[in-house]
Amino acid sequence: DQQVKQNSPSLSVQEGRISILNCDYTNSMFDYFLWYKKYPAEGPTFLISISSIKDKNEDGRFTVFLNKSAKHLSLHIVPSQPGDSAVYFCAASDNFNKFYFGSGTKLNVKP
Amino acid sequence: GAVVSQHPSRVICKSGTSVKIECRSLDFQATTMFWYRQFPKQSLMLMATSNEGSKATYEQGVEKDKFLINHASLTLSTLTVTSAHPEDSSFYICSARDRRGRSGELFFGEGSRLTVL
Repeated sequence: DQQVKQNSPSLSVQEGRISILNCDYTNSMFDYFLWYKKYPAEGPTFLISISSIKDKNEDGRFTVFLNKSAKHLSLHIVPSQPGDSAVYFCAASDNFNKFYFGSGTKLNVKP
Repeated sequence: GAVVSQHPSRVICKSGTSVKIECRSLDFQATTMFWYRQFPKQSLMLMATSNEGSKATYEQGVEKDKFLINHASLTLSTLTVTSAHPEDSSFYICSARDRRGRSGELFFGEGSRLTVL
């Protein structure tokens, strides 16, 4: 059973607009959440993370929001740029022992 | 940033043979490495957690005798797919956590595409 889910396999956004990628999880023991970005033929690279004691973390154009009661997190990219086009994975961890990943959302930012 | 190298990036083998995939942390020491398998359009499925100097911890449903993991040093973990069959064809990817770095940040290898004929 998948513990981390990304229900949108793809998302298309116009350059300059906001991209919102969503992620849901089922395990209430998860206390750390991460977003990774992946280009074709490369391994995922770390983008941004958030601890369960926070509900928001911001890094430049990227903001992650966590709603623990809903077991939901989202990644906002503002403004979106064509170079942001990639597959985005969310991941969750229980005290850094293991990391579980969603199936990814392919973001396409149109010029 | 930290670098994790995975080799080989692509391997094709005959059914029944064994294949070894290496995962190296190039500029940091990784006490823990993770091995994932990715099916097309699916998530990265955690196979096992590899701890330096001890036995790997396998996820439920992963055959430890088929997927042998060895973490002999702080910079190297290997995954050996033994007696490979076509259903083992997949994308295998390793990741490592820098024990000195930001907690929770994983660094990934480039992945290995295994095709079993």
